[in-house]
Amino acid sequence: GQQVMQIPQYQHVQEGEDFTTYCNSSTTLSNIQWYKQRPGGHPVFLIQLVKSGEVKKQKRLTFQFGEAKKNSSLHITATQTTDVGTYFCLMTGGGNKLTFGTGTQLKVEL
Amino acid sequence: NAGVTQTPKFQVLKTGQSMTLQCAQDMNHEYMSWYRQDPGMGLRLIHYSVGAGITDQGEVPNGYNVSRSTTEDFPLRLLSAAPSQTSVYFCASSYGWGIGVTEAFFGQGTRLTVV
Repeated sequence: GQQVMQIPQYQHVQEGEDFTTYCNSSTTLSNIQWYKQRPGGHPVFLIQLVKSGEVKKQKRLTFQFGEAKKNSSLHITATQTTDVGTYFCLMTGGGNKLTFGTGTQLKVEL
Repeated sequence: NAGVTQTPKFQVLKTGQSMTLQCAQDMNHEYMSWYRQDPGMGLRLIHYSVGAGITDQGEVPNGYNVSRSTTEDFPLRLLSAAPSQTSVYFCASSYGWGIGVTEAFFGQGTRLTVV
């Protein structure tokens, strides 16, 4: 079955530093979604990537889908305290089961 | 437009008790799913449904039952609660799935403690 590795599990940064989380799949994906979960909250959709090598930006967030469609990254430039939370990837291989990565918990210190 | 509504928000059960977590969505989504979230384990799929009358198992289905009699509702039943089922439970729905997957909308979550 599909296995999803997300690294790192935790990341502490100083405000203003950059942050990157990675998702890697053992199988080729149809598409990938990214979600953010604030502490005590529920996951909220950020973006979906579909095409090989696709890059999308949302303000300070940059999302990338690997050329082989087996990995993806989320990069945040100049983190702010509002970026605190856990970031999950949701990888789909075309089947009915939607499998989340284990998540990366981001803490931002002033 | 309420989105995905989960009830209750908090629940404490004794070992061996049964209960049903309710989930309802008003977006006419065909795909609905239940996840449990434990520290360091991410979101693990319990059961899912691609439409009324159709359900299937996810990664961690043992100890849980589901049914989908209508498009709107997807309740999760704990048959005989165990301390290992202490977790935060999320219901989610989406318009598409598989290759045609679309944005998933999540409920607010149910924090369940089994003592």
